[in-house]
Amino acid sequence: EDQVTQSPEALRLQEGESSSLNCSYTVSGLRGLFWYRQDPGKGPEFLFTLYSAGEEKEKERLKATLTKKESFLHITAPKPEDSATYLCAVQAGNTPLVFGKGTRLSVIA
Amino acid sequence: NAGVMQNPRHLVRRRGQEARLRCSPMKGHSHVYWYRQLPEEGLKFMVYLQKENIIDESGMPKERFSAEFPKEGPSILRIQQVVRGDSAAYFCASSPPPEVGGYTFGSGTRLTVV
Repeated sequence: EDQVTQSPEALRLQEGESSSLNCSYTVSGLRGLFWYRQDPGKGPEFLFTLYSAGEEKEKERLKATLTKKESFLHITAPKPEDSATYLCAVQAGNTPLVFGKGTRLSVIA
Repeated sequence: NAGVMQNPRHLVRRRGQEARLRCSPMKGHSHVYWYRQLPEEGLKFMVYLQKENIIDESGMPKERFSAEFPKEGPSILRIQQVVRGDSAAYFCASSPPPEVGGYTFGSGTRLTVV
């Protein structure tokens, strides 16, 4: 069974304090690993797709990386508006995405 | 280009009533997925549909829940005889053919059973 574990469950950072979120996965035949952002009361918003180990994607202060067992979402010099829950999901073949429970990020000014 | 549209945004039902949740996918998307999210829990897959076909319903409870995606109109998630445990946020997502990967999510329907 495909599994996704995200850590930490919650993370509190000062504005400008860089950190990383972890997503460990167990999947047979990874097709893609996805990162989403979810704000309270809203649906998940797509951030990145990673397809193979060694791949990296960047968007503003966010950078996602992928190895054979885990993915990291690096947040550089975060701002309060980066506060949200970040979700990781994996896809094997044509099966639906399997999500982790997410990391709740709070960035304090 | 409207995104995935879900309605209603909020739905209150008494125990034993029926709940109908609607989802219109993005233009050009032919695949629809329903997920349920409970507080402090991740998104749990329920069902995957294409027009007039249920592709995967492995996450759907065997009783009281059903889903359809007719040739015309939105996808419908139907919950009969709701119970308090059905209270959750229900999200719909759509995608082009799966080879592309990545889903676009709607804003969800928050069901409260009283």
